[in-house]
Amino acid sequence: GAVVSQHPSWVICKSGTSVKIECRSLDFQATTMFWYRQFPKQSLMLMATSNEGSKATYEQGVEKDKFLINHASLTLSTLTVTSAHPEDSSFYICSASLPGGNTEAFFGQGTRLTVV
Amino acid sequence: DAKTTQPTSMDCAEGRAANLPCNHSTISGNEYVYWYRQIHSQGPQYIIHGLKNNETNEMASLIITEDRKSSTLILPHATLRDTAVYYCIVSPGNTGGFKTIFGAGTRLFVKA
Repeated sequence: GAVVSQHPSWVICKSGTSVKIECRSLDFQATTMFWYRQFPKQSLMLMATSNEGSKATYEQGVEKDKFLINHASLTLSTLTVTSAHPEDSSFYICSASLPGGNTEAFFGQGTRLTVV
Repeated sequence: DAKTTQPTSMDCAEGRAANLPCNHSTISGNEYVYWYRQIHSQGPQYIIHGLKNNETNEMASLIITEDRKSSTLILPHATLRDTAVYYCIVSPGNTGGFKTIFGAGTRLFVKA
């Protein structure tokens, strides 16, 4: 099946710094990618829809100025957590689907962010 | 909001079939039933999906009731590695632009 890859797999950063997470579709082009956040023992929560060549669409309650999304090419979307705080520590996951209908979503392996 | 209802957790003996139920009574005519699973500290993994016919692949079988208001995912011979959270999701069949919204899922424990 199609492959979606995230980098890094884990990152530790200091409070107040910014962290960039990359999401790549390795063998297909994705005009749309999705970013999720998952806290321990909870389900995945959709944060935003990343659209190639245009602004991301954020879910209610997600701060667009804090979670910057850039989808500069058909195979790469990035999520930047700006001015990170300990409460931003979480598991961040991206997904993408093949173009066309009746297809499944492919998920990255996730990025574990710890803010100290 | 998730449109499905699943049991919080289930146990299954290794080697036996695991039957995971899902209720989706408000499913629309153009919505598919998707199943994903998430093993601890990994991204979700696609298992199977269907519209109204039963489906089978190398991982599992999906049984959808005739009225499409519920479905069952069947892992025919569960192994310890099948221990995971299983998510049942209804979606209009991803065209690349449809969101996958996760509910709480079912935590399946496969025991030796």
